[in-house]
Amino acid sequence: DVKVTQSSRYLVKRTGEKVFLECVQDMDHENMFWYRQDPGLGLRLIYFSYDVKMKEKGDIPEGYSVSREKKERFSLILESASTSQTSMYLCASSGVATGGPISNQPQHFGDGTRLSIL
Amino acid sequence: DAKTTQPPSMDCAEGRAANLPCNHSTISGNEYVYWYRQIHSQGPQYIIHGLKNNETNEMASLIITEDRKSSTLILPHATLRDTAVYYCIVRGGTYKYIFGTGTRLKVLA
Repeated sequence: DVKVTQSSRYLVKRTGEKVFLECVQDMDHENMFWYRQDPGLGLRLIYFSYDVKMKEKGDIPEGYSVSREKKERFSLILESASTSQTSMYLCASSGVATGGPISNQPQHFGDGTRLSIL
Repeated sequence: DAKTTQPPSMDCAEGRAANLPCNHSTISGNEYVYWYRQIHSQGPQYIIHGLKNNETNEMASLIITEDRKSSTLILPHATLRDTAVYYCIVRGGTYKYIFGTGTRLKVLA
Protein backbone atom coordinates (compact mmCIF):
# COMPACT_ATOMS: atom_id res chain seq x y z
CA ASP A 1 0.00 0.00 0.00
CA VAL A 2 1.10 3.56 -0.69
CA LYS A 3 2.16 5.42 2.41
CA VAL A 4 2.36 9.19 2.53
CA THR A 5 3.53 10.42 5.89
CA GLN A 6 3.24 13.98 7.11
CA SER A 7 5.51 14.92 9.98
CA SER A 8 2.89 16.40 12.29
CA ARG A 9 -0.86 15.94 12.71
CA TYR A 10 -1.27 19.16 14.69
CA LEU A 11 0.97 22.22 14.80
CA VAL A 12 0.62 25.60 16.50
CA LYS A 13 2.86 28.49 15.46
CA ARG A 14 2.99 32.24 15.91
CA THR A 15 2.53 34.99 13.35
CA GLY A 16 5.77 35.80 11.54
CA GLU A 17 7.44 32.46 12.22
CA LYS A 18 8.97 30.40 9.44
CA VAL A 19 7.12 27.08 9.36
CA PHE A 20 8.24 23.82 7.78
CA LEU A 21 5.81 21.03 6.90
CA GLU A 22 7.41 17.76 5.85
CA CYS A 23 6.04 14.95 3.70
CA VAL A 24 7.58 11.60 2.85
CA GLN A 25 6.28 8.92 0.49
CA ASP A 26 7.50 5.36 0.21
CA MET A 27 6.33 4.40 -3.28
CA ASP A 28 9.07 5.97 -5.40
CA HIS A 29 6.49 8.31 -6.90
CA GLU A 30 7.67 11.05 -9.24
CA ASN A 31 4.88 13.53 -8.49
CA MET A 32 4.23 15.17 -5.15
CA PHE A 33 1.69 17.81 -4.20
CA TRP A 34 0.77 20.22 -1.42
CA TYR A 35 -2.86 21.26 -0.93
CA ARG A 36 -4.72 23.17 1.72
CA GLN A 37 -8.28 22.34 2.69
CA ASP A 38 -10.64 24.91 4.15
CA PRO A 39 -14.38 24.61 4.91
CA GLY A 40 -16.45 25.72 1.95
CA LEU A 41 -13.40 26.10 -0.30
CA GLY A 42 -12.50 22.47 -0.88
CA LEU A 43 -8.93 21.48 -1.71
CA ARG A 44 -6.69 24.10 -3.29
CA LEU A 45 -3.35 23.25 -4.87
CA ILE A 46 -0.41 25.24 -3.50
CA TYR A 47 2.59 23.69 -5.28
CA PHE A 48 3.53 20.46 -6.96
CA SER A 49 6.71 18.77 -8.07
CA TYR A 50 7.15 16.26 -10.89
CA ASP A 51 10.81 15.52 -10.26
CA VAL A 52 13.61 16.15 -7.80
CA LYS A 53 14.46 19.87 -7.62
CA MET A 54 11.52 20.68 -9.93
CA LYS A 55 8.52 22.63 -8.75
CA GLU A 56 5.46 24.25 -10.24
CA LYS A 57 3.07 26.78 -8.74
CA GLY A 58 -0.48 25.72 -8.13
CA ASP A 59 -3.44 28.01 -7.65
CA ILE A 60 -2.42 29.69 -4.38
CA PRO A 61 1.39 29.77 -4.07
CA GLU A 62 1.63 33.21 -2.46
CA GLY A 63 3.25 33.09 0.96
CA TYR A 64 4.57 29.55 0.43
CA SER A 65 7.64 27.91 -1.00
CA VAL A 66 8.63 24.27 -1.44
CA SER A 67 11.73 22.13 -1.53
CA ARG A 68 12.34 18.74 -3.08
CA GLU A 69 15.92 17.65 -2.62
CA LYS A 70 15.16 13.93 -2.59
CA LYS A 71 12.55 12.01 -4.53
CA GLU A 72 10.71 10.75 -1.47
CA ARG A 73 10.52 14.05 0.42
CA PHE A 74 8.59 17.24 -0.34
CA SER A 75 8.63 20.15 2.09
CA LEU A 76 6.25 23.08 2.31
CA ILE A 77 7.60 26.30 3.82
CA LEU A 78 5.57 29.19 5.13
CA GLU A 79 8.07 32.01 4.87
CA SER A 80 6.39 34.29 7.43
CA ALA A 81 3.29 32.67 8.85
CA SER A 82 0.06 34.66 8.97
CA THR A 83 -3.31 33.88 10.56
CA SER A 84 -4.82 33.45 7.08
CA GLN A 85 -2.63 30.38 6.68
CA THR A 86 -4.41 28.55 9.47
CA SER A 87 -5.68 25.48 7.65
CA MET A 88 -5.48 21.74 7.08
CA TYR A 89 -2.48 20.99 4.85
CA LEU A 90 -2.48 17.84 2.77
CA CYS A 91 0.41 16.22 0.94
CA ALA A 92 -0.14 13.76 -1.90
CA SER A 93 1.94 11.72 -4.31
CA SER A 94 1.33 9.90 -7.58
CA GLY A 95 3.25 7.79 -10.04
CA VAL A 96 3.76 8.39 -13.73
CA ALA A 97 1.94 6.34 -16.32
CA THR A 98 3.22 5.89 -19.84
CA GLY A 99 2.47 8.79 -22.11
CA GLY A 100 3.93 11.72 -20.23
CA PRO A 101 4.35 13.46 -16.90
CA ILE A 102 0.72 14.44 -16.43
CA SER A 103 -0.34 11.15 -15.06
CA ASN A 104 -3.75 9.62 -14.69
CA GLN A 105 -2.43 7.60 -11.83
CA PRO A 106 -4.39 8.47 -8.68
CA GLN A 107 -2.96 10.75 -6.05
CA HIS A 108 -2.52 9.26 -2.59
CA PHE A 109 -2.88 11.57 0.36
CA GLY A 110 -1.35 11.77 3.81
CA ASP A 111 -3.46 12.30 6.92
CA GLY A 112 -2.87 16.03 6.91
CA THR A 113 -1.38 18.60 9.23
CA ARG A 114 -3.82 20.85 11.03
CA LEU A 115 -1.86 24.10 11.36
CA SER A 116 -2.95 26.94 13.60
CA ILE A 117 -1.24 30.32 13.39
CA LEU A 118 -1.80 32.50 16.45
CA ASP B 1 -11.80 19.69 -15.79
CA ALA B 2 -15.45 18.68 -15.84
CA LYS B 3 -17.74 19.71 -13.02
CA THR B 4 -19.43 16.97 -11.00
CA THR B 5 -22.73 16.93 -9.16
CA GLN B 6 -23.42 14.68 -6.18
CA PRO B 7 -26.30 14.48 -3.69
CA PRO B 8 -25.30 16.18 -0.46
CA SER B 9 -26.19 13.27 1.79
CA MET B 10 -27.34 9.64 1.82
CA ASP B 11 -28.12 7.00 4.43
CA CYS B 12 -27.50 3.29 4.06
CA ALA B 13 -28.27 0.36 6.37
CA GLU B 14 -25.28 -1.59 7.60
CA GLY B 15 -24.69 -4.69 5.48
CA ARG B 16 -26.56 -3.31 2.50
CA ALA B 17 -25.03 -1.99 -0.71
CA ALA B 18 -24.40 1.74 -0.81
CA ASN B 19 -24.86 3.24 -4.28
CA LEU B 20 -23.45 6.74 -4.62
CA PRO B 21 -24.29 8.57 -7.85
CA CYS B 22 -22.29 11.24 -9.62
CA ASN B 23 -23.24 13.34 -12.61
CA HIS B 24 -20.49 14.59 -14.92
CA SER B 25 -22.37 15.52 -18.08
CA THR B 26 -19.59 17.73 -19.48
CA ILE B 27 -16.86 15.08 -19.24
CA SER B 28 -14.51 14.93 -22.20
CA GLY B 29 -12.95 11.91 -23.85
CA ASN B 30 -9.61 11.89 -22.03
CA GLU B 31 -10.97 12.56 -18.54
CA TYR B 32 -11.01 9.88 -15.88
CA VAL B 33 -13.49 9.52 -13.03
CA TYR B 34 -11.94 9.17 -9.57
CA TRP B 35 -13.58 8.44 -6.25
CA TYR B 36 -12.16 9.36 -2.88
CA ARG B 37 -13.57 9.43 0.62
CA GLN B 38 -12.66 11.46 3.63
CA ILE B 39 -13.32 10.52 7.20
CA HIS B 40 -13.33 13.42 9.62
CA SER B 41 -9.85 14.73 10.47
CA GLN B 42 -8.11 12.42 8.00
CA GLY B 43 -6.75 12.92 4.50
CA PRO B 44 -8.76 11.81 1.44
CA GLN B 45 -8.51 8.10 0.77
CA TYR B 46 -8.35 6.87 -2.81
CA ILE B 47 -11.05 4.31 -3.64
CA ILE B 48 -11.15 3.62 -7.36
CA HIS B 49 -10.93 5.25 -10.79
CA GLY B 50 -11.90 4.50 -14.37
CA LEU B 51 -12.16 5.85 -17.89
CA LYS B 52 -15.07 4.09 -19.55
CA ASN B 53 -15.16 0.48 -18.45
CA ASN B 54 -16.61 -0.64 -15.16
CA GLU B 55 -13.98 -1.24 -12.52
CA THR B 56 -13.85 -3.30 -9.34
CA ASN B 57 -11.31 -3.57 -6.57
CA GLU B 58 -11.28 -4.82 -3.00
CA MET B 59 -13.05 -1.71 -1.75
CA ALA B 60 -15.73 -0.92 -4.31
CA SER B 61 -17.10 -1.09 -7.83
CA LEU B 62 -17.36 1.79 -10.27
CA ILE B 63 -20.09 1.75 -12.89
CA ILE B 64 -19.75 4.33 -15.68
CA THR B 65 -22.65 4.80 -18.09
CA GLU B 66 -22.03 4.20 -21.75
CA ASP B 67 -22.24 7.92 -22.60
CA ARG B 68 -19.89 8.59 -19.61
CA LYS B 69 -22.12 11.38 -18.35
CA SER B 70 -22.64 9.74 -14.99
CA SER B 71 -21.21 7.08 -12.72
CA THR B 72 -22.08 5.16 -9.57
CA LEU B 73 -19.78 4.04 -6.79
CA ILE B 74 -20.97 0.84 -5.14
CA LEU B 75 -19.86 -0.27 -1.69
CA PRO B 76 -21.22 -3.83 -1.72
CA HIS B 77 -21.67 -4.39 2.02
CA ALA B 78 -21.52 -1.09 3.87
CA THR B 79 -20.15 -1.05 7.42
CA LEU B 80 -20.19 1.69 10.05
CA ARG B 81 -16.59 2.47 9.15
CA ASP B 82 -17.74 3.48 5.66
CA THR B 83 -19.42 6.57 7.11
CA ALA B 84 -17.56 9.42 5.40
CA VAL B 85 -17.78 12.14 2.77
CA TYR B 86 -17.40 10.66 -0.71
CA TYR B 87 -15.99 12.75 -3.54
CA CYS B 88 -16.37 12.13 -7.25
CA ILE B 89 -13.69 13.89 -9.31
CA VAL B 90 -13.20 14.13 -13.03
CA ARG B 91 -9.69 14.87 -14.21
CA GLY B 92 -7.59 14.59 -17.32
CA GLY B 93 -4.51 16.27 -18.71
CA THR B 94 -3.81 18.23 -15.55
CA TYR B 95 -2.26 17.58 -12.18
CA LYS B 96 -4.99 19.30 -10.25
CA TYR B 97 -7.88 17.67 -8.45
CA ILE B 98 -11.02 19.71 -7.92
CA PHE B 99 -12.92 18.36 -4.95
CA GLY B 100 -16.56 19.43 -4.83
CA THR B 101 -18.77 19.23 -1.76
CA GLY B 102 -19.21 15.46 -2.03
CA THR B 103 -21.86 13.14 -0.58
CA ARG B 104 -22.01 12.64 3.16
CA LEU B 105 -22.78 8.92 3.56
CA LYS B 106 -24.09 7.76 6.90
CA VAL B 107 -24.19 4.02 7.50
CA LEU B 108 -26.86 3.15 10.05
CA ALA B 109 -26.64 0.24 12.48
